[in-house]
Amino acid sequence: DGGITQSPKYLFRKEGQNVTLSCEQNLNHDAMYWYRQDPGQGLRLIYYSQIVNDFQKGDIAEGYSVSREKKESFPLTVTSAQKNPTAFYLCASSILRAGTPNEKLFFGSGTQLSVL
Amino acid sequence: KNQVEQSPQSLIILEGKNCTLQCNYTVSPFSNLRWYKQDTGRGPVSLTIMTFSENTKSNGRYTATLDADTKQSSLHITASQLSDSASYICVVSGRGGSQGNLIFGKGTKLSVKP
Repeated sequence: DGGITQSPKYLFRKEGQNVTLSCEQNLNHDAMYWYRQDPGQGLRLIYYSQIVNDFQKGDIAEGYSVSREKKESFPLTVTSAQKNPTAFYLCASSILRAGTPNEKLFFGSGTQLSVL
Repeated sequence: KNQVEQSPQSLIILEGKNCTLQCNYTVSPFSNLRWYKQDTGRGPVSLTIMTFSENTKSNGRYTATLDADTKQSSLHITASQLSDSASYICVVSGRGGSQGNLIFGKGTKLSVKP
C-alpha cells in the first residue's frame, strides 16, 4: 500500500531529553513537511523539505531539527530546547511540479508527544 | 495579517440532515483554498482544492463553494452520516501558492448523532 507512515503513535519525553519522530513515505513525493497541532489551534509548520539534503524553517522551527538524507524519510527531532513540546505532530508529503502549486498534501496518522 | 477564520467552532446535527460550514480568510495574494477532514487522532484527508477561478467543487456528499471577491468559502455536507463526525479544516494558500505558505484554520468540529 502506498502512503505515509509515522511512528511511534505515542511518545513520552523526559526533561532534558531529545526525541526523534519518524516519517517515511513510499509515494515518491519530492516534498515533505512537519506540522504541529495543539488543541483548538490550526496546524503550524515546523520544517519542510523540497529536495534531498535541503530543508527550510517554517513558522515555529525553534527547538526542532530535521534531516532529509533520503527522499523517502524526513525525521523530526524535538530537542531539549523546545520547552513546550506536548502536541500532536503531523508529517505530510506532496508532489512538486513547476507551475502547479495546488498539489494536495497527504498526511500521516500523527504522533502524540507528551512530557513526563 | 493573513488569517483563516472558521465557524461555527462546533456543530451537532442529526444523521441524515444537511449542514454548512463557513470559512472566511484575509490571505492575500490568494492562490487556492482547501478543505480537509480530520478524524480524531488521525491525519487530515483532502476533500477539495479550489483555485481563484473555481466557484464550486464537489466530492461525493461534500460540496465546497468559493467567493474570491468576499473571501468566503463554505463546505456543505448533504445527508450526513455518522462517519462524517470529524473536524473540518479550511486551509488557504497564499504568496504564489507555495506549499510552505499554507495557513490553516482552527477547524469546525462536527458531531453527527443517530
